Amino acid sequence: GIQVEQSPPDLILQEGANSTLRCNFSDSVNNLQWFHQNPWGQLINLFYIPSGTKQNGRLSATTVATERYSLLYISSSQTTDSGVYFCAVGPSGNTPLVFGKGTRLSVIA
Amino acid sequence: DTEVTQTPKHLVMGMTNKKSLKCEQHMGHRAMYWYKQKAKKPPELMFVYSYEKLSINESVPSRFSPECPNSSLLNLHLHALQPEDSALYLCASSQDPLTAVDNSPLHFGNGTRLTVT
Repeated sequence: GIQVEQSPPDLILQEGANSTLRCNFSDSVNNLQWFHQNPWGQLINLFYIPSGTKQNGRLSATTVATERYSLLYISSSQTTDSGVYFCAVGPSGNTPLVFGKGTRLSVIA
Repeated sequence: DTEVTQTPKHLVMGMTNKKSLKCEQHMGHRAMYWYKQKAKKPPELMFVYSYEKLSINESVPSRFSPECPNSSLLNLHLHALQPEDSALYLCASSQDPLTAVDNSPLHFGNGTRLTVT
């Protein structure tokens, strides 16, 4: 099956810093989503981005499907950005997503 | 606030108990999912319902029994669980798994934190 690798596994940032999280996948995909899981366990869908670039406030994401990677950018990080960021991919819209192991982000004041 | 509602938020049960987890969504989504998440791990898919029919069972033990009474509701019946079944159980929904193209993000509920004693 498709493999999903996220990097870095852990990241500590000072409040206000910027960061880039990476998701590599082993096969072509038609479905790619980024999620944020806060320290209380709530999983929020950040982006549905099988290709191209999207922005939502301080967050943006870019997927280069032909090169099999996606990037999540966090600018001017805040303590509320702490948690785990998961990338999940699927070879088509009809198959379940495969989750990466996540990047654990800690933003300190 | 999440648009997928799960109850209860916390559940402690003994190994001989029978309990149920409940999930509800009113977004008109036709696919609903159960995931299990252990600490410091990604969510693991358990079941998928598509148009109220079970479409995927990821070899889950029979002590977990899903039920989809209608397109808005999803239950997970628990019986004779083991302590290693303690985890966060997440329900999710998406628009339409059979014909989804560009607009099928997965929406999660807040989860039920289950402890089996």
